[in-house]
Amino acid sequence: EDKVVQSPLSLVVHEGDTVTLNCSYEVTNFRSLLWYKQEKKAPTFLFMLTSSGIEKKSGRLSSILDKKELFSILNITATQTGDSAVYLCAPRHGSGNTGKLIFGQGTTLQVKP
Amino acid sequence: DGGITQSPKYLFRKEGQNVTLSCEQNLNHDAMYWYRQDPGQGLRLIYYSQIVNDFQKGDIAEGYSVSREKKESFPLTVTSAQKNPTAFYLCASTPGQVVKAFFGQGTRLTVV
Repeated sequence: EDKVVQSPLSLVVHEGDTVTLNCSYEVTNFRSLLWYKQEKKAPTFLFMLTSSGIEKKSGRLSSILDKKELFSILNITATQTGDSAVYLCAPRHGSGNTGKLIFGQGTTLQVKP
Repeated sequence: DGGITQSPKYLFRKEGQNVTLSCEQNLNHDAMYWYRQDPGQGLRLIYYSQIVNDFQKGDIAEGYSVSREKKESFPLTVTSAQKNPTAFYLCASTPGQVVKAFFGQGTRLTVV
């Protein structure tokens, strides 16, 4: 059975702190892993990871994938109140042209001023 | 502009009634997905479709039905068999292979 587990489920930090969010997965025919940020409604895309060990960076956010150990982490340095959101990871996997896209339960991050 | 349109944004229905949520995309994407989100939780996959006239059940398909008669459209019907239909519903699409998914703005369904 496909499984995606994110940890921690919630996190409260102060501005300036660094956070690490975890995503572990067990899926068949893995293709890629996506990270999203959800503030109000539609999730917004952050990263797509396909290869192990290659860090993707965008400003204060970075992410890396380990396909051998089946996990990914999302780092946020120097957090700001605008980083408060739910962070979702989603491995794409399965057969067919596009595969299946399932999400973890999310990590709710609250950044206090 | 290309994108995914979900309608309506808010929907109220009486218990026991079927209701259909619309999802249309003009991105020429092959795959489309429906997710349900409850407060404080992640997205759970209801149904997905990789090609026209074909779709597969996700993890929580009971009480829901879909159709994919056109590439652009993937409507979701919440039937009276769904025990707890009040939730936020998100539709997504992907063009294929290993690329990101695009999301609609969601429909918040409240059953009273």
